[in-house]
Amino acid sequence: DGGITQSPKYLFRKEGQNVTLSCEQNLNHDAMYWYRQDPGQGLRLIYYSQIVNDFQKGDIAEGYSVSREKKESFPLTLTSAQQNPTAFYLCASSARWSGTVRPVEQYFGPGTRLTVT
Amino acid sequence: RKEVEQDPGPFNVPEGATVAFNCTYSNSASQSFFWYRQDCRKEPKLLMSVYSSGNEDGRFTAQLNRASQYISLLIRDSKLSDSATYLCVGNTGNQFYFGTGTSLTVIP
Repeated sequence: DGGITQSPKYLFRKEGQNVTLSCEQNLNHDAMYWYRQDPGQGLRLIYYSQIVNDFQKGDIAEGYSVSREKKESFPLTLTSAQQNPTAFYLCASSARWSGTVRPVEQYFGPGTRLTVT
Repeated sequence: RKEVEQDPGPFNVPEGATVAFNCTYSNSASQSFFWYRQDCRKEPKLLMSVYSSGNEDGRFTAQLNRASQYISLLIRDSKLSDSATYLCVGNTGNQFYFGTGTSLTVIP
């Protein structure tokens, strides 16, 4: 089955610890994204990558880092500098926009719910 | 101003009713739009995409009005299983802009 996997589903960490969230896709998509969702709020973009070995900061990149060494994988690391990391983290992927009018659809993994105490 | 804005609701409608959600966008360069549904504590799932005037899939109809910069989602014959949060999303190239979602509860 093609899709996006994220692990773990739930993660508990102590404040001050670095955390790495996994995201893997087998959809052969070039673009991958990390979002954060807080209760009652919309999705906010953390980082995105349109191609291997390249990524750009989103709206709330401070305290986060990513790597894109393989097309299938886009792990997200939360450093101790992240002020309020408790949230629902969603990874997504899409085909790369080819400049045509056809929509580029984005698909989501099941998410990782992170709690930091 | 946010790229995409939605009425958060909540919308509480009886089973069988027709309900419509509107969404406005600020970036006139947006190429296409999407409606996602998100169940509580789950990931968003793609419901419909629209890049011309509209799209229909069974009980669901999405319409796009580029002159007025709004998108709508119409749900006919509401089912209990339609209860969810509906996210409006705009797209420009490989950038996606999410609304905060509209909450729908279908009541028996």
